[in-house]
Amino acid sequence: EIVMTQSPATLSVSPGERATLSCRASQSVSSNLAWYQQKPGQAPRLLIYGASTRATGIPARFSGSGSGTEFTLTISSLQSEDFAVYYCQQYNNWPPGTFGGGTKVEIK
Amino acid sequence: EVQLVQSGAEVKKPGESLRISCKGSGYSFTSYWISWVRQMPGKGLEWMGRIDPSDSYTNYSPSFQGHVTISADKSISTAYLQWSSLKASDTAMYYCARQGGGSYGGAFDYWGQGTLVTVSS
Repeated sequence: EIVMTQSPATLSVSPGERATLSCRASQSVSSNLAWYQQKPGQAPRLLIYGASTRATGIPARFSGSGSGTEFTLTISSLQSEDFAVYYCQQYNNWPPGTFGGGTKVEIK
Repeated sequence: EVQLVQSGAEVKKPGESLRISCKGSGYSFTSYWISWVRQMPGKGLEWMGRIDPSDSYTNYSPSFQGHVTISADKSISTAYLQWSSLKASDTAMYYCARQGGGSYGGAFDYWGQGTLVTVSS
């Protein structure tokens, strides 16, 4: 089973600043990686798929990069609505479609 | 508009059985896998398993194999997650999610609103 490790667990950022979130896979997942955003009391929302493609309606300030085992989600200028928990997920090897443990982006 | 609408919150006792549902609309239900995802209180997302509604073929996470059953009724565009004997540790929010096709690969492009299951004596 592929293990997905996200870091840091919590990221404190001021509004308008850049946030960089990392996700590492225990073995190569090619570019079969997605990022999700989850706000309190809401279902997750797809942000990025294919490691770097924004989903429909996702603002350009969200960008994804990486392939193989190392991935990054960057939020270029944090808006108030971006404070949330972010999860990566690999879908290269099924089952299971493993999620990372999440990174909470909080207001500094 | 694509929608996944889940059944309402449930409160059950240990040992009881339960089936929750996820109804798809706005798309061809048999063209996309449906997955179930668990989120325990204050914790992260765990993929439980998935079903191909066209033929009811299923995959399960090893962590959930044998503990839950995933099924679907394509005639009413509905997927199900069921337990035969609930435990207190099954208390969680459960989401269904559609596995996007084409370039989306296995990413989950649409999610249900979640069903909260509480198991307590």
